[in-house]
Amino acid sequence: EVQLVESGGGLVQPGGSLRLSCAASGFTFSDRYMDWVRQAPGKGLEWVGRTRNKANSYTTEYAASVKGRFTISRDDSKNSLYLQMNSLKTEDTAVYYCVRIRSSSWGEDYFDYWGQGTLVTVSS
Amino acid sequence: DIQLSQSPPFLSASVGDRVTITCRASQGISSYLAWYQQKPGKAPELLIYAASTLQSGVPSRFSGSGSGTEFTLTISSLQPEDFATYYCQQVFSYPRTFGPGTKVDIK
Repeated sequence: EVQLVESGGGLVQPGGSLRLSCAASGFTFSDRYMDWVRQAPGKGLEWVGRTRNKANSYTTEYAASVKGRFTISRDDSKNSLYLQMNSLKTEDTAVYYCVRIRSSSWGEDYFDYWGQGTLVTVSS
Repeated sequence: DIQLSQSPPFLSASVGDRVTITCRASQGISSYLAWYQQKPGKAPELLIYAASTLQSGVPSRFSGSGSGTEFTLTISSLQPEDFATYYCQQVFSYPRTFGPGTKVDIK
């Protein structure tokens, strides 16, 4: 059974940093692209970014709203995905979801499994 | 960036009704579109990908169609567990984008 469990959310002041983790199980983590998606309270879904697999050199993609502030990384030996968030703004307040990507083929990279999410609140 | 719009934003329907939600893309995206269902307090779930392919385990009352810039999600006979918010998403280009959602609630 595929499981994705996020942790690390909490309350942080504007300008602060936070690191989210996602523990994956039930599939071969190292083969997969992995993404982060967020959802502000009462709002829709916003894609945050992606890490590709080793076969694709662990390259990353980011949304413009977080580029330069957020960094996605992974540790395949620990089946874990990370999101390092720096220079946090109040508008970064959201539930952050860890997402498995169905296929690494272009145009087939749908989001087939989601974690339960972890809430990040940026407030003074 | 590719913008996705959805209509209607809200929909009130009864159990047994046929429901159709439309998603429009700001430019052609071939069939690189997915639909997700999200219930309150839960993570989204993949319903349909490649515009019309049903994800494993999803009931056959859900169907998708379309290509290019206009897509539809149809629920043939609405069930109590289908009251939720539905999002479309494109995987044609970066950044991956979602529609604003359509909330389906009970009439």
